[in-house]
Amino acid sequence: AQSVTQLDSHVSVSEGTPVLLRCNYSSSYSPSLFWYVQHPNKGLQLLLKYTSAATLVKGINGFEAEFKKSETSFHLTKPSAHMSDAAEYFCVVSTTSGTYKYIFGTGTRLKVLA
Amino acid sequence: EAGVAQSPRYKIIEKRQSVAFWCNPISGHATLYWYQQILGQGPKLLIQFQNNGVVDDSQLPKDRFSAERLKGVDSTLKIQPAKLEDSAVYLCASSLELAGGPGQFFGPGTRLTVL
Repeated sequence: AQSVTQLDSHVSVSEGTPVLLRCNYSSSYSPSLFWYVQHPNKGLQLLLKYTSAATLVKGINGFEAEFKKSETSFHLTKPSAHMSDAAEYFCVVSTTSGTYKYIFGTGTRLKVLA
Repeated sequence: EAGVAQSPRYKIIEKRQSVAFWCNPISGHATLYWYQQILGQGPKLLIQFQNNGVVDDSQLPKDRFSAERLKGVDSTLKIQPAKLEDSAVYLCASSLELAGGPGQFFGPGTRLTVL
């Protein structure tokens, strides 16, 4: 069975400092992994995705994530936080074998301090 | 390219009333999803269609929720009768493939308040 765990429910950073949002996954098959962002009262927007190509994935707005199979992790990073990055972030795992599902983590709320 | 469209954006009803939500996916996307997102939680999949067939409805409360995608394009989600705990944002998403690939694209959601 597939699952995803977001290790922090809330993260606070100061503007201009690095962002790290942690995600661990469990999958019996080769997973596809995604990060979505949700700003208040908005729909979810795809930030980036990993689908078995390069392990370091670059997304929109300066975000990137690295797939580490040995650690079953897919952490999201950004070198320098901006006020507009304040939002809820969801890590998602899907599989292309067995049951076809997207499994969402519980989310990490990122707060950016001025 | 037009995104996923949903309507209405907001709905307020009283418990035991019925309500329906509409979704039009991105053109050419065969797979359509309905999610329920309760405040402070991640989205929970209610039902997943591939064209007009149901792939997964294991978490759909079938005694009160129903969904259809008759022509394999737009879809309707209905709740009848509504309960207080149905207050949530209902998200529709679509994708080219069943899973993986480019991922899902989400609509803006419908915020339902049940009084």
